[in-house]
Amino acid sequence: GAGVSQTPSNKVTEKGKYVELRCDPISGHTALYWYRQSLGQGPEFLIYFQGTGAADDSGLPNDRFFAVRPEGSVSTLKIQRTERGDSAVYLCASSLTLDRVDTQYFGPGTRLTVL
Amino acid sequence: DQQVKQNSPSLSVQEGRISILNCDYTNSMFDYFLWYKKYPAEGPTFLISISSIKDKNEDGRFTVFLNKSAKHLSLHIVPSQPGDSAVYFCAASASGAGSYQLTFGKGTKLSVIP
Repeated sequence: GAGVSQTPSNKVTEKGKYVELRCDPISGHTALYWYRQSLGQGPEFLIYFQGTGAADDSGLPNDRFFAVRPEGSVSTLKIQRTERGDSAVYLCASSLTLDRVDTQYFGPGTRLTVL
Repeated sequence: DQQVKQNSPSLSVQEGRISILNCDYTNSMFDYFLWYKKYPAEGPTFLISISSIKDKNEDGRFTVFLNKSAKHLSLHIVPSQPGDSAVYFCAASASGAGSYQLTFGKGTKLSVIP
């Protein structure tokens, strides 16, 4: 079966622009997570969803970042007024249920470069 | 303040020998620990996990040990193989407290030399 997919794989944008990053979770997985990995660091939690609702968005760095999951499947991470410090690999993961932390399957990530 | 620390950025081991990767944590609420393996241009892949009620979990060549009093865990790979060369991340969650986010360390790059 298909794993978690993320599009685009690479995104280059200019400072101040708006970007959207998409995540397609594994079919049937109700929980979806977004992480960000900066160079030389481990993945850093941003937000997770149970179904359509954001159960925990405490990792979003500021109000320029927003994520949605309107139908409980595909999720979009939206970044407004991008800054050079937003450059990172954005990772999405999904799990069957929220409490199955050992089954967070990760996608390959979207590498975002802000010039 | 890093809550999960992997103090060795890199480790080199001869093929066939044991690889030991270490991880320390500071948050007492963490009750579930995981190791992920990551190849370049791929997402992290789950390797093995351990609950805080256990002190050891074994899966084939991989064993994770947990020392709660020292807030320390380690991953043992025996015997090491060249295909094990990757970046290994230690991660923790406080799922008992209703928090399902994973907190990761910075990773250790393992190189297994043939």
